[in-house]
Amino acid sequence: AQSVAQPEDQVNVAEGNPLTVKCTYSVSGNPYLFWYVQYPNRGLQFLLKYITGDNLVKGSYGFEAEFNKSQTSFHLKKPSALVSDSALYFCAVREGRDDKIIFGKGTRLHILP
Amino acid sequence: EPEVTQTPSHQVTQMGQEVILRCVPISNHLYFYWYRQILGQKVEFLVSFYNNEISEKSEIFDDQFSVERPDGSNFTLKIRSTKLEDSAMYFCASSEGGRIREFGPGTRLTVT
Repeated sequence: AQSVAQPEDQVNVAEGNPLTVKCTYSVSGNPYLFWYVQYPNRGLQFLLKYITGDNLVKGSYGFEAEFNKSQTSFHLKKPSALVSDSALYFCAVREGRDDKIIFGKGTRLHILP
Repeated sequence: EPEVTQTPSHQVTQMGQEVILRCVPISNHLYFYWYRQILGQKVEFLVSFYNNEISEKSEIFDDQFSVERPDGSNFTLKIRSTKLEDSAMYFCASSEGGRIREFGPGTRLTVT
């Protein structure tokens, strides 16, 4: 079964510094990978996806993610963090013929002013 | 930009009562989903729906749960007899071709 792992429950980064939120995946075939963000008291918002093609994927709000097949990773990155980036981030993988998405447990990102 | 909408935003119910959570997917989307997130835990898949029938469901989606598309716009999740452990945030999602989910804002269900 396909799965994703987010090894960090929480990541703290100073404003203006680069940030990385880690994700590793386990799939039997080609992975379709996603990042979603959840702001307090809000729903899930799509950030970016990797289906095929360039390993570096650019998404919303200045975020990007790098697909690394050899390390089975899909880490989320941003060159310069903003306080408003503080939220819960979910890595996810697509599974099955019906495109069911399997989510990681989430990583809480705190950007310190 | 079209969005998935959900009502109500917060539902409080007593244990054993039936609840219906409502969703209006994006109009040209064909695939519909329910997910839930128990407080502090990860988002879990419940069920997917296509062509007026359930296409896949998880272990969580037992006989107490049902989904329906009663008209051309709404997509509902019914919990027949709620339990305390059903308290969670329930997210509806839809997609056009299955690759990107548009999620609704969620309904927070509190079972007392």
